[in-house]
Amino acid sequence: SQTIHQWPATLVQPVGSPLSLECTVEGTSNPNLYWYRQAAGRGLQLLFYSVGIGQISSEVPQNLSASRPQDRQFILSSKKLLLSDSGFYLCAWSAQMNTEAFFGQGTRLTVV
Amino acid sequence: KNEVEQSPQNLTAQEGEFITINCSYSVGISALHWLQQHPGGGIVSLFMLSSGKKKHGRLIATINIQEKHSSLHITASHPRDSAVYICAVSDTGNQFYFGTGTSLTVIP
Repeated sequence: SQTIHQWPATLVQPVGSPLSLECTVEGTSNPNLYWYRQAAGRGLQLLFYSVGIGQISSEVPQNLSASRPQDRQFILSSKKLLLSDSGFYLCAWSAQMNTEAFFGQGTRLTVV
Repeated sequence: KNEVEQSPQNLTAQEGEFITINCSYSVGISALHWLQQHPGGGIVSLFMLSSGKKKHGRLIATINIQEKHSSLHITASHPRDSAVYICAVSDTGNQFYFGTGTSLTVIP
């Protein structure tokens, strides 16, 4: 069966520090991969999605970047965190021809 | 047992039908979310609610806090409503729990 792992679960980082959140998927190949963010009091927002290795699409301009170095690995990064980067980050995957999305457990990021 | 249970898992409707998707949860929540995922994977946040009822176009979401139950209604359904609808709750610690989704197909 397919599983998705996302870590860390919680993270407190100072303003200006770098960020790296990692997401891996097991049990499937060539998944679509997604990073979402939920800021306090707001709905989910799609940040990045990827349909293959090295293929990244960004939905909104921001202080973040994403990379997909391997088929089932998706990384969310920042060189210098801002206070506004605080929020709940979710990684998700979906099969190429399937409409269901499966989510990781999320990372609660607090920038102080 | 999952913290969030949705029903039905799959739903096929004729265009114009009134549709209801149900969501029950077992944790104390700060908010309940209804999400829509289109073919291709993109997810749209439809509603976030903590009490009562919200309406947006042909979509209506209700929540009963005492019964720990929410419903998503679609009036005058259309083929473009075909998508997966996901119920999610955030608890008082802002931990998210997601339902497995309801796959809706609206036939012209």
